Amino acid sequence: EPEVTQTPSHQVTQMGQEVILRCVPISNHLYFYWYRQILGQKVEFLVSFYNNEISEKSEIFDDQFSVERPDGSNFTLKIRSTKLEDSAMYFCAIKSRGTSYGYTFGSGTRLTVV
Amino acid sequence: QKEVEQNSGPLSVPEGAIASLNCTYSDRGSQSFFWYRQYSGKSPELIMFIYSNGDKEDGRFTAQLNKASQYVSLLIRDSQPSDSATYLCAVNRANFGNEKLTFGTGTRLTIIP
Repeated sequence: EPEVTQTPSHQVTQMGQEVILRCVPISNHLYFYWYRQILGQKVEFLVSFYNNEISEKSEIFDDQFSVERPDGSNFTLKIRSTKLEDSAMYFCAIKSRGTSYGYTFGSGTRLTVV
Repeated sequence: QKEVEQNSGPLSVPEGAIASLNCTYSDRGSQSFFWYRQYSGKSPELIMFIYSNGDKEDGRFTAQLNKASQYVSLLIRDSQPSDSATYLCAVNRANFGNEKLTFGTGTRLTIIP
């Protein structure tokens, strides 16, 4: 299975600040996803990204969130004005072309909003 | 009604025994079903997926699916201390391709040496 690296591994930010979380998968992936997991809670879908555009997003993914694949390699999640309740682990996930069901999660970014 | 339900545990199983993890889901349109393992502070790791009724075996792991009962289970044979983790059940409504997973809260499994 390919490794999916996320940076930073831990980010502390002040409420109201913008953060950008990065995911660096190996190339030739078809689908990209962001999930989050608030401490002690379930993993929740945020958004899926296919062919350089959003294919589906959840209710959580409001106007404060955006995703990009700026250089064809990195995949980013931006939160424009962070809130305390945005504190969570954020995971990107990738699905390779031609593989079977399921996908690979990245190593995760722990976001702490203070 | 929760979309994907799991007993949160903890479930304690002696080393070498069979661990049985269960999951029910509410959406009858669900197409594929997954079991992920998550160690504390780490990302989910795919263990198995299943999309047809019946059993699917992979090494020490067996996934079982009963769509009529909306029930998925995971059996771990010859449990090892390294199997101690939280096991996440996830379901996908979409067809193969752009999968969007709905997760349960997970069952914490502890293997007792």
